[in-house]
Amino acid sequence: GAVVSQHPSWVICKSGTSVKIECRSLDFQATTMFWYRQFPKQSLMLMATSNEGSKATYEQGVEKDKFLINHASLTLSTLTVTSAHPEDSSFYICSAKKPGHPWDSTEAFFGQGTRLTVV
Amino acid sequence: GIQVEQSPPDLILQEGANSTLRCNFSDSVNNLQWFHQNPWGQLINLFYIPSGTKQNGRLSATTVATERYSLLYISSSQTTDSGVYFCAVGPYNQGGKLIFGQGTELSVKP
Repeated sequence: GAVVSQHPSWVICKSGTSVKIECRSLDFQATTMFWYRQFPKQSLMLMATSNEGSKATYEQGVEKDKFLINHASLTLSTLTVTSAHPEDSSFYICSAKKPGHPWDSTEAFFGQGTRLTVV
Repeated sequence: GIQVEQSPPDLILQEGANSTLRCNFSDSVNNLQWFHQNPWGQLINLFYIPSGTKQNGRLSATTVATERYSLLYISSSQTTDSGVYFCAVGPYNQGGKLIFGQGTELSVKP
């Protein structure tokens, strides 16, 4: 397998503040990572694809100015929820794929997730 | 976009029973994975199975790519098997992203 670590596991913040979530691949280099969001009792929805050294690709309906993604290195991607509001409260989870050929057919591994509560 | 349907949405079993979870998808894929989400939200990788059959202990999975479905078998279920099981597929040429089904919530009673 492969290890993907996410930090923090949970965070409570005040409405209007920003929160940064980190996603690290610990034992492999990941040129691409993915960010998902999960509301209670629902499935995981892809928010964006994080590309090392270039801009993230956002799914339709996801506000890029609200959810800032930075892929600073081959092992780290960050998601910043800016000016958070109660409706942003959710479970955020990242994933990364090990290199392979063809790359897009390789197995994905997930971090442990971050539970964000905005009060 | 590709549609992923899982059935049943909910399943209640007595400990020791067997079960089959199904995942149908609407287009060709080059990745299919099964996950178990634990009570803390962590996704546990069960199988990476774009085609064929695999077994791991009491769990096994089969994907028939040409017919666009996958099955997850749980034998001799235990209370620790409870939780949500997700199927996720990776469409061709879409950068490696996964599209998740709605999940099957399994509850195993002692």
